[in-house]
Amino acid sequence: QVQLVESGGGLVKPGGSLRLSCAASGFTFSDYYMSWIRQAPGKGLEWVSYISSAGSSIYYADSVKGRFTISRDNAKNSLYLQMNSLRAEDTAVYYCASLGSFNRYFQYWGQGTLVTVSS
Amino acid sequence: QSALTQPRSVSGSPGQSVTISCTGTSSDVGGYIYVSWYQQRPGKAPKLMIYDVSKRPSGVPDRFSGSKSGNTASLIISGLQAEDEADYYCCSYAGSYPLVFGTGTEVTVL
Repeated sequence: QVQLVESGGGLVKPGGSLRLSCAASGFTFSDYYMSWIRQAPGKGLEWVSYISSAGSSIYYADSVKGRFTISRDNAKNSLYLQMNSLRAEDTAVYYCASLGSFNRYFQYWGQGTLVTVSS
Repeated sequence: QSALTQPRSVSGSPGQSVTISCTGTSSDVGGYIYVSWYQQRPGKAPKLMIYDVSKRPSGVPDRFSGSKSGNTASLIISGLQAEDEADYYCCSYAGSYPLVFGTGTEVTVL
């Protein structure tokens, strides 16, 4: 069955960096667009970034543009999110998700990894 | 792009029906047939319940249905069960901005 497993979260100081990973299995990873979505404590869902199947198209939310970089390694069935210049407001659970047909919905979700930005 | 507007909470007794609204604009909900709904139980990841306004993924009970009229989409839960207690989020394609979420609705089973 489809599995998405995030890792790499933790506690980091403001201005610091962190790299999240998402290991995919149970489907042909290279065929699917992938995305990162986050959820601040007690808040709603916020789309962060997405990347096309081959990695040629990338989009970012304005709140992370210039600080976060999404990438993927199709040979390793893995998705990444490099987060630099972290701020307190980046504190959230970060989910990776695969996009469904025509990339208009999030089909499968990982269990999430918590990122806490605090001094 | 602003978040889509959902009621903060809805509630119903077991067996009843509840409807969750999701209001956007002609640039998102009203302009496309690409509205999806997600269920998030406490401490868990979101789960796709409805896509393309009214389609159900395999394994989702047919008690869950979706519709859209103008700039407002709706998720209807018929025959409410205790296990349906969760937060629900709508999401819409919005053209140049890939996908935008709703504010979320807490469903309480009385």
